[in-house]
Amino acid sequence: SQQGEEDPQALSIQEGENATMNCSYKTSINNLQWYRQNSGRGLVHLILIRSNEREKHSGRLRVTLDTSKKSSSLLITASRAADTASYFCATDANTGFQKLVFGTGTRLLVSP
Amino acid sequence: DAGITQSPRHKVTETGTPVTLRCHQTENHRYMYWYRQDPGHGLRLIHYSYGVKDTDKGEVSDGYSVSRSKTEDFLLTLESATSSQTSVYFCAISASASNTGELFFGEGSRLTVL
Repeated sequence: SQQGEEDPQALSIQEGENATMNCSYKTSINNLQWYRQNSGRGLVHLILIRSNEREKHSGRLRVTLDTSKKSSSLLITASRAADTASYFCATDANTGFQKLVFGTGTRLLVSP
Repeated sequence: DAGITQSPRHKVTETGTPVTLRCHQTENHRYMYWYRQDPGHGLRLIHYSYGVKDTDKGEVSDGYSVSRSKTEDFLLTLESATSSQTSVYFCAISASASNTGELFFGEGSRLTVL
């Protein structure tokens, strides 16, 4: 069964707008990661947030984590057409080992 | 880019035939993984390896076997392919056993079972 579920499943915005996607998970975790997948390509790691962190930034990315609600959000500011991709959250499901469990993903379309 | 090569990248086969997908890495990473990606399911872990000859099952291991005789190669075998195994298969590698390391993914192998 999936540990993470992303919301929305699809998001369409204009360049320059912000994009927010959410991830909910079921069990306790040690950390949560976000990955990006361009069409027809493999996944690329974006950012990791630990369970004792509430917010983390990396360039135009901002990730928040609320362990009490078992949820995380990924904010992409000032979106560009090149941000068009699918975004996945991944959790370790508190296994203590790098067996990531991925969500179903959010498809982001950024139009020029 | 991490040195991960998957082969073949595309394969069409018939039900009942054996299929082997290969993942080759040049990073000398200890940990290797096979995931499958299907619409509506995201990525699901099939098998993983934590060293040469050391492998274990993931979430969806039925119908699949793996082997790792060398650090750089991780093979995924479908002994008798079924239509439900039509999917895109991704290999991933990780340098760390800790849960703070990132995974590096290959470009995927698209398998169609007719």
